[in-house]
Parts: sequence; C-alpha cells; structure tokens
Amino acid sequence: DIQMTQSPSSLSASVGDRVTITCRASQTISSYLNWYQQKPGRAPRLLIYGASSLQTGVPSRFSGSGSGTVFTLTISTLQPEDFATYYCQQSYSTPRYTFGPGTTVDIK
Amino acid sequence: QVQLVQSGAEVKRPGASVKLSCKASGYTFISYHMHWVRQAPGQGLEWMGMINPNVGTTTYAQEFQGRVTMTRDTSTSTVYMELSSLRSEDTAVFYCARDPPGGLASAGSLDHWGQGTPVTVST
Repeated sequence: DIQMTQSPSSLSASVGDRVTITCRASQTISSYLNWYQQKPGRAPRLLIYGASSLQTGVPSRFSGSGSGTVFTLTISTLQPEDFATYYCQQSYSTPRYTFGPGTTVDIK
Repeated sequence: QVQLVQSGAEVKRPGASVKLSCKASGYTFISYHMHWVRQAPGQGLEWMGMINPNVGTTTYAQEFQGRVTMTRDTSTSTVYMELSSLRSEDTAVFYCARDPPGGLASAGSLDHWGQGTPVTVST
C-alpha cells in the first residue's frame, strides 16, 4: 500500500503569512495527488487535484506543486478563513486511495 | 447543483450492524464512483472503499474487508454502506464522496462530499 506523510503536523501562523505544507508518498505517484481543507464539524473540501490544478471556486492564493514522491501546498497570503486542517490524498493506486495524516494550521 | 445528502446519526451496540445512505442529486448518478471515508473523533481521514454505481462493483480497504458492504439503488440515486460487527473503535463520522470519471483531469479526486453521518458505538 502507498503510505502518505505530511509535514509539519501542525503550524501556527498569522494572517498574511505565506504557508507551505509538504506531503510525501512512499513510492512514486506521478501527479496523482489531491489536497483538501477541512474545518471543524464540516466535510472536507477539495482544493487542488492532479497536484497543481485549482478546483473551481477555490481562491487563487492556494497552489500546489510537485510530482513523483514530494508535493507541496502553498497558501500565498493566509486569510482568517484558512485556519483549518489540510490533507493530501493519493489516487495513483486507484481506486484504493490513501490520505495523509493532516496538517493543522492555527492562529499564532 | 450537486448534492450528496446522508442519513442521520446512529447509535449502536457493539456487535451490531449499521447501514448508512447517501442520496445523490444534480448529476448523472451512474457516471461517478462513490467512495466512503471514516473519520474517528479528532483523527484523520480513512478511506473505506468505493462502489461503481453503474455496474455495482466494489473495492474495499483491507482493514474493512469482510465487515463492509456497499450497494446502490439506481432508481433512487442512492448508495448504501453497511458496516457489521461494530466495535467502539468504529465510533466516527462517515462520509460519502463523489469521484469524477476516468478520463477527466480531476479523476481520482473527491470533488463533492456528503455532510457526514455520526455513528456512535457504545454499550
């Protein structure tokens, strides 16, 4: 099975900061990597698919990059509504998907 | 607009079974695979399995093999997930989520999610 890791597991940041989250796969997954945002008590929301494509309706301050085994999610200018937990998910081994453990972004 | 509406909260005894539903609307039901994801309290997302609503074929995560059954009713655009032999560790929120068809750039991503169904397993 493909294992996913994320770093850091949590971070504290201020509004306006640039935030980067890293996701690593245990084997190459090409660009089959998606990112989700989840707020407490809510369902996850798709942000990025195919490693770097912005889902419709997602603000352009979110971006994704990477291929192979290392991927990043960047929030260029952190907004108050961006404080949440972020998960990566591989879809290389379709339809058997795996999620990363999550990265919580909270207020410094 | 696309909607996935899940059934309400459940409370079950250990050893019992639970069957959850996820009713889809706003798109062609049989064209999108449906996945189920478990989230225990304070924990991350765990993929459970998927169903192809067109033909009814399923794929389950190894951890749930033998305990989970996913089915669909094309007449009502509803998918079901039944989990048996419940234990306290199954206390969680269960989500259904739609997967765009192969051939689309977004295939493999879960682009719409249900609101989640809380299941509590307790004596």
